[in-house]
Amino acid sequence: SQQGEEDPQALSIQEGENATMNCSYKTSINNLQWYRQNSGRGLVHLILIRSNEREKHSGRLRVTLDTSKKSSSLLITASRAADTASYFCATRWGGYQKVTFGIGTKLQVIP
Amino acid sequence: GAGVSQSPSNKVTEKGKDVELRCDPISGHTALYWYRQSLGQGLEFLIYFQGNSAPDKSGLPSDRFSAERTGGSVSTLTIQRTQQEDSAVYLCASSSPEGSGRDNEQFFGPGTRLTVL
Repeated sequence: SQQGEEDPQALSIQEGENATMNCSYKTSINNLQWYRQNSGRGLVHLILIRSNEREKHSGRLRVTLDTSKKSSSLLITASRAADTASYFCATRWGGYQKVTFGIGTKLQVIP
Repeated sequence: GAGVSQSPSNKVTEKGKDVELRCDPISGHTALYWYRQSLGQGLEFLIYFQGNSAPDKSGLPSDRFSAERTGGSVSTLTIQRTQQEDSAVYLCASSSPEGSGRDNEQFFGPGTRLTVL
């Protein structure tokens, strides 16, 4: 299975601290995406990093990709209570648009 | 703006009954996905439609599950003879045509929470 695995599965931090989540996958990918889910409903796309990129930034988000280790990390800087959510990585591989989601990291930011 | 919509938002049914879940993708999106998410778990891929191509049904857990997409737009996921283990949130997502420049981003609907008693 190509399914990614996020680590840790749960993370609790104080507001203002940085949160780091990791994702590992098994086979070569075209790109890797991070999504956020609030309250067990629809997911929202956060950021995409392509297989030939090593780092990408978007606001308070920083994503890195290490294709040699088949892993990615998502860093949220200066966390806020509103960042409390589950975060999923999704890998696109093969010749078409299908992506495979990991099991998610549940982040709690304590005010 | 019009996003992905799903109906019903909640469905409670009795074991053994059939249910139909509906997904209206964003207009113009040729790719449509169904996922299942059990409580506190990740997303389990069920089925993927892309344009007029044959769907990828590799994620359907049993032959009680089927899905169709009429006219390349609305999709219906049908679960026959529901079982208690079918209880989950069923999420639908759509994305732009491949090569459109934004074909990687999936836009999700709010999901249908299915409870089988």
